[in-house]
Amino acid sequence: KAGVTQTPRYLIKTRGQQVTLSCSPISGHRSVSWYQQTPGQGLQFLFEYFSETQRNKGNFPGRFSGRQFSNSRSEMNVSTLELGDSALYLCASSRTSPGNTEAFFGQGTRLTVV
Amino acid sequence: QKEVEQDPGPLSVPEGAIVSLNCTYSNSAFQYFMWYRQYSRKGPELLMYTYSSGNKEDGRFTAQVDKSSKYISLFIRDSQPSDSATYLCAMSFSNAGNNRKLIWGLGTSLAVNP
Repeated sequence: KAGVTQTPRYLIKTRGQQVTLSCSPISGHRSVSWYQQTPGQGLQFLFEYFSETQRNKGNFPGRFSGRQFSNSRSEMNVSTLELGDSALYLCASSRTSPGNTEAFFGQGTRLTVV
Repeated sequence: QKEVEQDPGPLSVPEGAIVSLNCTYSNSAFQYFMWYRQYSRKGPELLMYTYSSGNKEDGRFTAQVDKSSKYISLFIRDSQPSDSATYLCAMSFSNAGNNRKLIWGLGTSLAVNP
């Protein structure tokens, strides 16, 4: 079966711009989680969506937002980009929740803010 | 203090060595423990999943959980160059039904040299 698909794979943006990243989960999975990964901070949890509702949220500023559609596809948006937002953004899909059933990750979107 | 502590390494071993990777945690409520492997430029993939204390073996990989010490380990026997990757531990609580958020370690970078 198809895995988790993230688009785009690479992005370069300038400070102050906004960006939208997309994640298509595995068919039948209702939970989508988003993470920011940087060398110094590791995997940091952004938020999780389940059946179109945000179920959990990490400690990121309000510039980071997301949503989930009825087909479970999810998007995350970062507004007013800062240099420190440069990172690999990963999404993971799970059948029910990432701590309950296996989380499958996409290959990530590498965002560079210049 | 972080909830989950993991030495980022890097760890470099010769081919065939036994590798020991470890995480400590502070919250005794964690019940589910996972090890993910992440190759360069890829998303993490689930390697081992254990519930509560004890050992679990899968081929060359053994996961151990010591809840009394709040310590988990992943052992790799007869390590191969293909095991070179970053290994992340993750854990979750058991009291949230189908809503279980994962708490992640920083990841340990492992290089197995031929």
